[in-house]
Amino acid sequence: DQQVKQNSPSLSVQEGRISILNCDYTNSMFDYFLWYKKYPAEGPTFLISISSIKDKNEDGRFTVFLNKSAKHLSLHIVPSQPGDSAVYFCAALGYSGGSNYKLTFGKGTLLTVNP
Amino acid sequence: GAVVSQHPSRVICKSGTSVKIECRSLDFQATTMFWYRQFPKQSLMLMATSNEGSKATYEQGVEKDKFLINHASLTLSTLTVTSAHPEDSSFYICSARESGLAGGKGLNEQFFGPGTRLTVL
Repeated sequence: DQQVKQNSPSLSVQEGRISILNCDYTNSMFDYFLWYKKYPAEGPTFLISISSIKDKNEDGRFTVFLNKSAKHLSLHIVPSQPGDSAVYFCAALGYSGGSNYKLTFGKGTLLTVNP
Repeated sequence: GAVVSQHPSRVICKSGTSVKIECRSLDFQATTMFWYRQFPKQSLMLMATSNEGSKATYEQGVEKDKFLINHASLTLSTLTVTSAHPEDSSFYICSARESGLAGGKGLNEQFFGPGTRLTVL
């Protein structure tokens, strides 16, 4: 049972336009939600996060929106640039016992920004 | 930002042999390290959580006798795939946690290594 879902395996947008990446989750106990960017044969790099008590967090061209009632979050990239082309993973941070927290990842969405 | 390295980046081995993968935090101390596995077009799946100086906590379905984890220091964790078989071929990624960060970065943010591609023939 997948707790974090990214239903779009790929997305293609034109340079300068907005990219919207979506993510749904099922566990209401998650504390934070994070977005990671990943290039082939590399580990993910942190992009932006949002606390479960917030509904929006903005960092430059990247904005993450959280709708708790719908258990849905989205990442907006404006304006999109060719260098943004990568796989984007949505992840949720939750308590896993003891002093440990763990990340649960979605399957990722491949974003392609065309020049 | 904090840097995590992995070695080797790529390894090919024969079925039945054991392979050791190292994960190092280069410029910070990591009391907790995580090991993930990623199959093609799938999500990163957490295999185990490793706390320095104590036994690793394995996720359900992960064989602890097959995937040996040692976290002997605050900057090094190792994953040994014992008696590897072709179905163990995967991309293994470690991460190290620098806890207590503020400023909107997210509680207990993890920094990921570049990954190790394991191919078992």
